[in-house]
Amino acid sequence: QVQLVQSGAEVKKPGASVKVSCKASGYTFTSYYMHWVRQAPGQGLEWMGIINPSGGSTSYAQKFQGRVTMTRDTSTSTVYMELSSLRSEDTAVYYCARRPQLSMVAGFDPWGQGTLVTVSS
Amino acid sequence: DIQLTQSPSFLSASVGDRVTITCRASQGISSYLAWYQQKPGKAPKLLIYAASTLQSGVPSRFSGSGSGTEFTLTISSLQPEDFATYYCQQLNSYPLAFGGGTKVEIK
Repeated sequence: QVQLVQSGAEVKKPGASVKVSCKASGYTFTSYYMHWVRQAPGQGLEWMGIINPSGGSTSYAQKFQGRVTMTRDTSTSTVYMELSSLRSEDTAVYYCARRPQLSMVAGFDPWGQGTLVTVSS
Repeated sequence: DIQLTQSPSFLSASVGDRVTITCRASQGISSYLAWYQQKPGKAPKLLIYAASTLQSGVPSRFSGSGSGTEFTLTISSLQPEDFATYYCQQLNSYPLAFGGGTKVEIK
């Protein structure tokens, strides 16, 4: 079955970087875009950006431009999201989520289980 | 950027009630809207896409309607497992924003 499995929880100090992975299985990796969404404690969902696993092209939300980098490894069907210059406000659960490439109407399905990133001195 | 405003942000209801949640877009997005359900400690789950198309496996008590700037999610008869937070998301243009969420709690 289609599955997105993310890496485990991380604790980082302010100013550090974190790299979260999302391993896909059960479908053709290069046929679906991968999105990253985060959720701060008790807050709503915030879209961070998208990567096309086929060619590696990316698009990021303005808020994260210059601090986020999304990459992929087609040999392992894994996408990565690296966030740098971490601050306490980046404490959140980070999710990857799949969306078909050739559809404007399709939603995000499925989602990874989430990775908690805690930024604390 | 397109903003989505959900109302209400909190809703208290009983099992068997009919529940309606509204999502308003700051500009027209045709039918490019999805709805998600999220339970505590879990990832969101896709319920509806294209404003009114039920995702496979989602119970038929869930329905969506609307186009342009006004959308609704309706639960025809609330079940115990439906107590959760619901989010709308616009899929018309980047950034793909979410609404602020509606928490449905047991009365």
